[in-house]
Amino acid sequence: DQQVKQNSPSLSVQEGRISILNCDYTNSMFDYFLWYKKYPAEGPTFLISISSIKDKNEDGRFTVFLNKSAKHLSLHIVPSQPGDSAVYFCAASGGGNKLVFGAGTILRVKS
Amino acid sequence: EPEVTQTPSHQVTQMGQEVILRCVPISNHLYFYWYRQILGQKVEFLVSFYNNEISEKSEIFDDQFSVERPDGSNFTLKIRSTKLEDSAMYFCASSSGIDEQYFGPGTRLTVT
Repeated sequence: DQQVKQNSPSLSVQEGRISILNCDYTNSMFDYFLWYKKYPAEGPTFLISISSIKDKNEDGRFTVFLNKSAKHLSLHIVPSQPGDSAVYFCAASGGGNKLVFGAGTILRVKS
Repeated sequence: EPEVTQTPSHQVTQMGQEVILRCVPISNHLYFYWYRQILGQKVEFLVSFYNNEISEKSEIFDDQFSVERPDGSNFTLKIRSTKLEDSAMYFCASSSGIDEQYFGPGTRLTVT
């Protein structure tokens, strides 16, 4: 099941710079997209979401961009901080509550 | 800040045994979910529950699995006869509507 894909297994960024995490999806029925952050031995923590009627949503240092024609979304973190180091999951839902997750991207923010 | 809690944090059981994983969702939420993550794999949806019934379930959620909301606060996942391949992290989640789902810390199930 590859409906939600995060093609970069890991990303390394310098503190203070921008982190850009990418996600692609294949199912046109998806209409709601979310980003979660996960530390080892903890559950996913909700970060930010976007509905398919929007192309951008911003919350503090986190911005999510949605390009429906390309079936692509991205999470921007500006400025990146060492505490942002975690696994980031993209998830999508459509026509119900079930979330379909990507494989995750490990973000390392170097100080 | 309200949060989803799960017990136990780690459960070890022998193959063929029944296990019950427990969750306390956020109190004003109406939708409840179970997901699992096998080591090294994606987080996978198991089941969603609303208005005291299953609203959706995945292929993984076969007859060996069941969910229950025995009272106004708990939400449980039962695996009747565990298999080795049931070993995973099991996450409970809840939401107020068809929007953000909030996850608990997970229960690590180890089947030996």
